[in-house]
Amino acid sequence: GEDVEQSLFLSVREGDSSVINCTYTDSSSTYLYWYKQEPGAGLQLLTYIFSNMDMKQDQRLTVLLNKKDKHLSLRIADTQTGDSAIYFCAVRSSSYKLIFGSGTRLLVRP
Amino acid sequence: GAVVSQHPSWVICKSGTSVKIECRSLDFQATTMFWYRQFPKQSLMLMATSNEGSKATYEQGVEKDKFLINHASLTLSTLTVTSAHPEDSSFYICSARDPAGGNEQFFGPGTRLTVL
Repeated sequence: GEDVEQSLFLSVREGDSSVINCTYTDSSSTYLYWYKQEPGAGLQLLTYIFSNMDMKQDQRLTVLLNKKDKHLSLRIADTQTGDSAIYFCAVRSSSYKLIFGSGTRLLVRP
Repeated sequence: GAVVSQHPSWVICKSGTSVKIECRSLDFQATTMFWYRQFPKQSLMLMATSNEGSKATYEQGVEKDKFLINHASLTLSTLTVTSAHPEDSSFYICSARDPAGGNEQFFGPGTRLTVL
């Protein structure tokens, strides 16, 4: 079945850029998502990219998709302490199911 | 934007009791809802897909008699954890698919279940 992998932890200094990486196995995935989860809360959709796109920018967020390598990344510019959370990569299958990565815990140091 | 609510937000129950969790799409009709389970510091695992008016489809390894799902209307799906045990303690999250909104899934805030 589909497998989605993420690194578990990232620590950056406030004001720096953060880059969170994700790899997936199903080349037929049509939509790829980034979600943010704060402690004890549900998931907040940050952004998504359609599989025929290479890049999408939304304010401080930039998503890059390398379809050949099945690699997705999320860049957060000017990272703030409020960005500290767990970030999940997810890919959507043809049956609308979402397959999630393990999540990357982002810690922003003052 | 599309809003999904869950009730209750947290529940503590005794071992052996059953607990019902509700998932509602507040401003759209959801023909499909999904139930996920999340253990501490882990990812979301899809438990089942709930379709309005038909039986839910369970993922491999999920006991359908243990986790009863009812999707009685286009805005409500319920998950009942029957005869709960401490190992059922987890964070349960639902999502609802909006067919009129590009088939995007919108997530509820989650329900934390603690079984004593």
